[in-house]
Amino acid sequence: AAGVIQSPRHLIKEKRETATLKCYPIPRHDTVYWYQQGPGQDPQFLISFYEKMQSDKGSIPDRFSAQQFSDYHSELNMSSLELGDSALYFCASKLRGYFGNTIYFGEGSWLTVV
Amino acid sequence: DQQVKQNSPSLSVQEGRISILNCDYTNSMFDYFLWYKKYPAEGPTFLISISSIKDKNEDGRFTVFLNKSAKHLSLHIVPSQPGDSAVYFCAASAYSQGGSEKLVFGKGTKLTVNP
Repeated sequence: AAGVIQSPRHLIKEKRETATLKCYPIPRHDTVYWYQQGPGQDPQFLISFYEKMQSDKGSIPDRFSAQQFSDYHSELNMSSLELGDSALYFCASKLRGYFGNTIYFGEGSWLTVV
Repeated sequence: DQQVKQNSPSLSVQEGRISILNCDYTNSMFDYFLWYKKYPAEGPTFLISISSIKDKNEDGRFTVFLNKSAKHLSLHIVPSQPGDSAVYFCAASAYSQGGSEKLVFGKGTKLTVNP
């Protein structure tokens, strides 16, 4: 079965550069979540989208922005990168139909800021 | 404020024995709970879930128990296998004010199953 696809899997950027991460949800899933997991940390919720509209916002820095497109894929844009942005970024998706539908995660995108 | 707590950062058990991973939560609005298994540098893999209207859910070797009054849930793995060695995250779900649903994760428990 198709899973959540994230690209790129690994990315190395320098401080103050920009980076874009992409997420392709499971087919027919209409909700996308972004999570950030720093070294030794639990995953922290950044932002979510439902039907191409932002539905919830967590601890996402102002330097970051995200959107969901008409084909339901999502992109997380990160600007003015800082060393502390180095983390594993997860995208997850679900079908918003009834409460409790499982949220499925992608493999993650490793961002290293040097 | 950690709304979902996994107080044991690590757990080591012998192959064939039972593994019990614990999770506590503070937000009474949570009404759906999930366990995810995670290997290093991979995405969390869904394992098992439980709705707050139940107190037990079983799937093969994995059983999740929920005690709502104590705001406590646990994951039992019987029998434990070396391939179960991973970090296990407890997650709780609730609708936010905006009507969306998001997961709040615990810090994870690293399970090591020794042959």
